Amino acid sequence: NAGVMQNPRHLVRRRGQEARLRCSPMKGHSHVYWYRQLPEEGLKFMVYLQKENIIDESGMPKERFSAEFPKEGPSILRIQQVVRGDSAAYFCASSPRASGGRTYEQYFGPGTRLTVT
Amino acid sequence: DAKTTQPTSMDCAEGRAANLPCNHSTISGNEYVYWYRQIHSQGPQYIIHGLKNNETNEMASLIITEDRKSSTLILPHATLRDTAVYYCIFQRDDYKLSFGAGTTVTVRA
Repeated sequence: NAGVMQNPRHLVRRRGQEARLRCSPMKGHSHVYWYRQLPEEGLKFMVYLQKENIIDESGMPKERFSAEFPKEGPSILRIQQVVRGDSAAYFCASSPRASGGRTYEQYFGPGTRLTVT
Repeated sequence: DAKTTQPTSMDCAEGRAANLPCNHSTISGNEYVYWYRQIHSQGPQYIIHGLKNNETNEMASLIITEDRKSSTLILPHATLRDTAVYYCIFQRDDYKLSFGAGTTVTVRA
């Protein structure tokens, strides 16, 4: 049973380029979350998606960042015109469908480490 | 943010049980206690969760006090691969995971 998959594991971009991070959730999971972890800092929520819907993007920077979870294929976190401050580990997590108002545990991928030079 | 209190660090001998305490005195009746861990340079890993009753799975056991103000995560036979930062949180409807400082557990041979 494959876990959450993320690729690439490491990504190097020059300032001003675009970064595309991919996440395939666990089989049967319809909820996807993206988090960012800056060096020596804690995990910060960015966005919560279900298939073809953005449920909560309150943690996303207002500019340059976008996310999608299409009907077919992986979830994509896109960062346009990257800056050095975007260098971080980006983690994707997935969970099964919630019921009764309770949010299930989240299963994380190995992360994509983005370095902006 | 929901607040928990955990010791900053603890050491454990390989093969022995590791008991990790967590205080969550402000937890409400319908909030679950969750434990995650993060091994260096890896993604966080879900361990276990519980509401009122003690829980056990293949990774760990969770003991929750009767008043639900504290809990203990037990790793029954710690191995070197259990060296990680362990996070205790409580949540019900909030999917935005937010970890505090956690407990840095070092398992020594």
